[in-house]
Amino acid sequence: QVHLVQSGAEVKKPGASVKVSCKASGYTFSTYIIHWVRQAPGQRLEWMGWINAGGGNTKYSQEFQGRVTITRDTSASTAYIEVSSLRSEDMAVYYCARDRGRDGYNHFDYWGQGTLVTVSS
Amino acid sequence: DIQMAQSPSTLSASVGDSVTITCRASQSITNWLAWYQQKPGKAPKVLIYKASILESGVPSRFSGSGSGTEFTLTISSLQPDDFATYYCQQYSFYPLTFAGGTKVEIK
Repeated sequence: QVHLVQSGAEVKKPGASVKVSCKASGYTFSTYIIHWVRQAPGQRLEWMGWINAGGGNTKYSQEFQGRVTITRDTSASTAYIEVSSLRSEDMAVYYCARDRGRDGYNHFDYWGQGTLVTVSS
Repeated sequence: DIQMAQSPSTLSASVGDSVTITCRASQSITNWLAWYQQKPGKAPKVLIYKASILESGVPSRFSGSGSGTEFTLTISSLQPDDFATYYCQQYSFYPLTFAGGTKVEIK
């Protein structure tokens, strides 16, 4: 069955960068889109962007354009999100999630377990 | 951006109750709406997509309805496992957006 397994919790200083991974199994990685969503403490879920795991093309929320980079390694069936210039407001649980379809206009049918990113000096 | 709003933000109910959560979009999203359930410390889990289609494996006590700007999630007979937070999400327009959630608590 489908699994998305994310890397472990991170603690970073303000101004640093963090890279979180999401390893997929149980399906053909390159045929789906992977989204990244984050949830700050007590806040709503916030969509950040996606990557087409096959073609490698990406789409980002304007909110994060320029500060977030989503990549993938098809040989490792893994997607990554890197957030740079971290600030306290970036402290959140970061989730990867699979798009049910292949065009980015679908719900998310499988989610990773989440990765807590703490930003603290 | 499409603004999504849910009501109520908190709901107290008992096992066996029928509960309804409302989700409103700031403009028409046709029926491109999903409902997710999230428990503390866990990732969200999809319940309903395309406003009314039950995800495989989800109990039939969950149902969704609506179109355009107003949608509802109904749990027909609340079970102990259903106490959680529920979120609606639109996937008609980018950026994809979620509502603030409804926490279903035990009365």
